[in-house]
Amino acid sequence: NAGVMQNPRHLVRRRGQEARLRCSPMKGHSHVYWYRQLPEEGLKFMVYLQKENIIDESGMPKERFSAEFPKEGPSILRIQQVVRGDSAAYFCASSSRTRSSRRYYEQYFGPGTRLTVT
Amino acid sequence: EDKVVQSPLSLVVHEGDTVTLNCSYEVTNFRSLLWYKQEKKAPTFLFMLTSSGIEKKSGRLSSILDKKELFSILNITATQTGDSAIYLCAGGGNTPLVFGKGTRLSVIA
Repeated sequence: NAGVMQNPRHLVRRRGQEARLRCSPMKGHSHVYWYRQLPEEGLKFMVYLQKENIIDESGMPKERFSAEFPKEGPSILRIQQVVRGDSAAYFCASSSRTRSSRRYYEQYFGPGTRLTVT
Repeated sequence: EDKVVQSPLSLVVHEGDTVTLNCSYEVTNFRSLLWYKQEKKAPTFLFMLTSSGIEKKSGRLSSILDKKELFSILNITATQTGDSAIYLCAGGGNTPLVFGKGTRLSVIA
C-alpha cells in the first residue's frame, strides 16, 4: 500500500530558474495539501487542492507560486524564478475526507522535496 | 492569526524516562488537534484528538486534549532511543492545519 509519493526528493536550482515539485496522493485519497518547512520552523500550509480545483490557497505567496491537481496525474507545485529564500523542504499530504467529516484533518505526509536555490 | 505553540522546544532525556510534551493552540473554529512524529523524512501521524478529556493511547504514547484550556499533552513512557525525533502538534480549524515549531526530543542510552 503505497503512501504519499513525492519527487524529486532533492532539487537544486539556480536563482531565476523554475522548480517543479510533484506529489501523488495515497491510493483512494482525493485531497492534497502542500506545506513548506523552513529550517527551525514549523510546517506552514500553502495550498489545498482537490482534483481540478484549488480549494484554499490562503498560504500561497501571491507571486511566482502556483499549484495544480489535474484530473490525471500528480499534483504539481510550481515555483517560477526561484530565489534563495525559496530554499526549504516542501511537503505534500493527502487525506480522504471532506471538510464535513471530523477526520478531514487526518493527513498523511510524503517524504518531502528539499529545494536548494544556489 | 491562528497559532500553535509547543514547549519545550528541545528536551534531552535518558532511556527509560517519561516525558511530557506540551501544545497550546489558538485556532479559529477549532475542530481537531493532531500529533505527528518527524524523523528525517515525512511527519508520521500519531494521534488526532477532537474531544476533551478522552485519552488516546498507542503503546507507550498517549495524548489528551483540553478544549477549555486550549492545550494538549503528549506523554511518552519508558523512552527508547528510537523515540528521538521532532514531535509536531497541529490544530485544524478554518485552514487545513496550523503547525507548531515542534519539540526536538533526544533520548540517550
